Amino acid sequence: KQEVTQIPAALSVPEGENLVLNCSFTDSAIYNLQWFRQDPGKGLTSLLLIQSSQREQTSGRLNASLDKSSGRSTLYIAASQPGDSATYLCALRWYSGAGSYQLTFGKGTKLSVIP
Amino acid sequence: NAGVTQTPKFRILKIGQSMTLQCTQDMNHNYMYWYRQDPGMGLKLIYYSVGAGITDKGEVPNGYNVSRSTTEDFPLRLELAAPSQTSVYFCASSYFGGGAGDTQYFGPGTRLTVL
Repeated sequence: KQEVTQIPAALSVPEGENLVLNCSFTDSAIYNLQWFRQDPGKGLTSLLLIQSSQREQTSGRLNASLDKSSGRSTLYIAASQPGDSATYLCALRWYSGAGSYQLTFGKGTKLSVIP
Repeated sequence: NAGVTQTPKFRILKIGQSMTLQCTQDMNHNYMYWYRQDPGMGLKLIYYSVGAGITDKGEVPNGYNVSRSTTEDFPLRLELAAPSQTSVYFCASSYFGGGAGDTQYFGPGTRLTVL
């Protein structure tokens, strides 16, 4: 069974700092990995999706990397802004057998960017 | 496009009552999902559907039922509400269950309390 861990659980940084969020997983046989953002009381918004054959994806100030051999992914946020304050979740899609793909989420990292 | 819509936004149930959480998407997505999110936890998959008439269990299906009669709608039914079902419920959809089209689009959630 796939297990996903996100460290740290919470992070507070001053505006303008570059930061890294971590996601680790126990089984390297993944199909893809996705990073989401969740604002309080809202649903999830997809930020980046990395296929298992890819090493990284970039969108604006965000860069996500994937290292299957070590069971790790990182989300790098450059020049953080107060508007980046949210909870960030990573989710892994993996093959669970009988033609079924499961999606397992981490518990998230709550980010606060201080003006 | 409205994306993924969910109703109601909030609901309080008494133990033993039943209710249906509604989910509709207008993106012509094949895959639809129901998740629950407990405080401080990641999302857990309840049920998912790969197309009209086809549903399958996720990680935590007990106490819930689903049906998928159309591409657009994927209602979640609670037959005998229990306090353990107090949670925030999210519906999501994606075009494929894997690959580049795997980005999941989430609804705003339904906050359910069972007393």
